Amino acid sequence: DAMVIQNPRYQVTQFGKPVTLSCSQTLNHNVMYWYQQKSSQAPKLLFHYYDKDFNNEADTPDNFQSRRPNTSFCFLDIRSPGLGDAAMYLCATSRETAAYEQYFGPGTRLTVT
Amino acid sequence: GQNIDQPTEMTATEGAIVQINCTYQTSGFNGLFWYQQHAGEAPTFLSYNVLDGLEEKGRFSSFLSRSKGYSYLLLKELQMKDSASYLCAVRDEAGYSTLTFGKGTMLLVSP
Repeated sequence: DAMVIQNPRYQVTQFGKPVTLSCSQTLNHNVMYWYQQKSSQAPKLLFHYYDKDFNNEADTPDNFQSRRPNTSFCFLDIRSPGLGDAAMYLCATSRETAAYEQYFGPGTRLTVT
Repeated sequence: GQNIDQPTEMTATEGAIVQINCTYQTSGFNGLFWYQQHAGEAPTFLSYNVLDGLEEKGRFSSFLSRSKGYSYLLLKELQMKDSASYLCAVRDEAGYSTLTFGKGTMLLVSP
């Protein structure tokens, strides 16, 4: 049974056209994360929510925004996608940040044309 | 800053044993994780070490030496399905903290 669900699995958008990626979880975890992973590179943390508290990484571009309307859902908004934003976007959850493993969704592969 | 190093690629034969190394230099340390990631799929959790020594879990074991900033993942009785990328990740401090991932080691298991 899927625990972290990401939709869509594949997304194509045009240069500069806003796009939203979604993530939902059935684990009732407090923490949700968004990572960007480019080919053959490490997953790079963009931001995370601890409950409703939003935490942005210092080097995350302003072009990336996030919303968490409730415990189960989290969205990644890319306001004006550039060609360099083409990547796999991974959503993950954990019960707490301190000691627990992160559960990843299957990812959304974003293509920018 | 955070720096995590792993070999880019490794190859091994079905049934063999392989060791994937990871070295890290981080501003703090509060645990090291290993994840497995098959091509086009999400990472899945393999192991967690916070104290020095070896943690064994079936065919997979993970070792940590905090004084050396070093860990390895040991895979025994390799199977074709073990072909994947193996990611080392470090949590840099206790409490409210996040993970920094290495680039991953692509392991190819051949018959």
